[in-house]
Formats: sequence, structure tokens, C-alpha cells
Amino acid sequence: AQSVTQLGSHVSVSEGALVLLRCNYSSSVPPYLFWYVQYPNQGLQLLLKYTTGATLVKGINGFEAEFKKSETSFHLTKPSAHMSDAAEYFCAVSEDNDMRFGAGTRLTVKP
Amino acid sequence: GAVVSQHPSRVICKSGTSVKIECRSLDFQATTMFWYRQFPKQSLMLMATSNEGSKATYEQGVEKDKFLINHASLTLSTLTVTSAHPEDSSFYICSAGGGRPGGTEAFFGQGTRLTVV
Repeated sequence: AQSVTQLGSHVSVSEGALVLLRCNYSSSVPPYLFWYVQYPNQGLQLLLKYTTGATLVKGINGFEAEFKKSETSFHLTKPSAHMSDAAEYFCAVSEDNDMRFGAGTRLTVKP
Repeated sequence: GAVVSQHPSRVICKSGTSVKIECRSLDFQATTMFWYRQFPKQSLMLMATSNEGSKATYEQGVEKDKFLINHASLTLSTLTVTSAHPEDSSFYICSAGGGRPGGTEAFFGQGTRLTVV
């Protein structure tokens, strides 16, 4: 069965700094990979997803992620953090039937 | 860490019957829980926000009479799929926590695979 590991339950960056949230997965078949964000008092929102094709995927709010099969990774990045990016981020992997989530990474942005 | 337990993990039901899915927060109180649905090869879709002691808030396009949500206690939310049809077959997942400033992280149930035959 597929699984996801997010390295770092909490990440803190300064406003304007690079955001890097790490995600590694395991899957027996070519996976579908997702990043979700949860803002306070809201449900999950899809940031971006990888299914097939280009390995660098661009999402909303300036985020992007790169699928690296050799490293079984799907790290999320943003060149310049904004205060509004403070939220919890979840990486997920799907093998077509079920979805498995990582434990989540809480991103804090310092002024 | 905190655990959210979802039951059952898999259920097969006949068309026209109703199915109840439970979502429990095992070691913390959750005034808010979220219910999601995933279609094959697609992203998760937020269906509704379950609020303890009050009516659930449904996302646009989700039939509230079809998907009944009850959040009667701080540790239990239920989703009942009424008069199920084959098109309701899907993967349903709940989450709790993570919705408050400075609050706990969000935790997800294991998910429920519903098959309507």
C-alpha cells in the first residue's frame, strides 16, 4: 500500500524567504501526488497535483512541486514566503483507489 | 499523536439503502470535523464542515438531504449516505483538528471505501 512521509512537523521561515516542505512517498505503481493546504477554520484546499507528464507542477499562490521518481519525492516550494502562507500543508499519494496523507507540516511565517 | 478513527473502512451496500460512516476523535475533542470525498484518479473534494451541536455547513453542489451529517458529541461525527446509488460509490474521508489558529494539527481518518451495487 502507498504511504507518505513528511519531514518536519513544523517549519518556520521569514517573510520573503524560500519555503521548502518535504514529502517522500512509497507506491507500488506510478502514483498520483497531491499537496493540500489547510488554513485556520477551513477545510483542505488543493494546492497542486501530479498525475502524469511534466514533473514540475505549478499550483496556486505561487507554489510548485517537483516529482522526482528516483528520489521518491514530491517536495513543495515557494520562492518567497508571504504572511498569508501560514497554514498546515499535507502531502498525499493516491494509487487510484485510496488516498493516504502525510502527517502534515505546520508552516509559520515570521515578519 | 492524536488519532481519528473512521469506521467502517470498506462497505458494500445495495442500491436504495442507507449507509452510516463514523468518524471519532479518540483522544481529543473536536468541535469541527470535515468530510471529504475522492473520486478515482481525482483530488479530494470537501463535502461539508461538521459542527458539534449545530447544523453542518455544506459545500456548493453537495446535497444535504443525500449526505446527512450529525455531530452530536465532541468526539463523534457521522455521515449517512441516504438512498445510495452506484454513483455514490467513492472513497470518503474525515478529518478533525487543524482548523483553529494556534490549535492542534489536523488528523485524518483511515477513509471508507463505499461500493453501491
